[in-house]
Amino acid sequence: GENVEQHPSTLSVQEGDSAVIKCTYSDSASNYFPWYKQELGKGPQLIIDIRSNVGEKKDQRIAVTLNKTAKHFSLHITETQPEDSAVYFCAASTGGFKTIFGAGTRLFVKA
Amino acid sequence: DADVTQTPRNRITKTGKRIMLECSQTKGHDRMYWYRQDPGLGLQLIYYSFDVKDINKGEISDGYSVSRQAQAKFSLSLESAIPNQTALYFCATSDDHRQFFGPGTRLTVL
Repeated sequence: GENVEQHPSTLSVQEGDSAVIKCTYSDSASNYFPWYKQELGKGPQLIIDIRSNVGEKKDQRIAVTLNKTAKHFSLHITETQPEDSAVYFCAASTGGFKTIFGAGTRLFVKA
Repeated sequence: DADVTQTPRNRITKTGKRIMLECSQTKGHDRMYWYRQDPGLGLQLIYYSFDVKDINKGEISDGYSVSRQAQAKFSLSLESAIPNQTALYFCATSDDHRQFFGPGTRLTVL
């Protein structure tokens, strides 16, 4: 069945460094790719998303890139701060109800 | 006030008990979802509803049932809880693609 693979499962960076999380999806019909941040004790919160007709999107310190041919998409966080520490989930959707989530990446930003 | 609320936030129960988790939203969305989250795994869809009269099973619906009482309310029930249903449960709403999650319910079945 369809799946989304996410790497790495854990990522530790120094404050101020960049962090990159990568995902691969299997369903070529996927056309929407959101990223969620989940802080301890809270539900996932949408931080950025990209649609299949766009290759890159940026919002302040975060950016997402999409390679439809390779079925890869990535989250880039620059100038990381301790408050960026959280679990990040990628997902791929074909529209409607079907959203497949990655297993998550636990990001630690060391001060 | 939070747009998506869940009650209770934490619940400990025993095997065989019936449990109901409730979700309310003020976003005015027609679409609502219930997900389960286990450690090290992504979110798995239990049930989804596109409107009050439209309820559908997700990928892991066995052992669960739902009720859509109104556009704003979507409840998840475990008719006879078992230990492997111990998990975090999230309700979500969406307008089109974007999903908005509640704070979650941590359920422990002993």
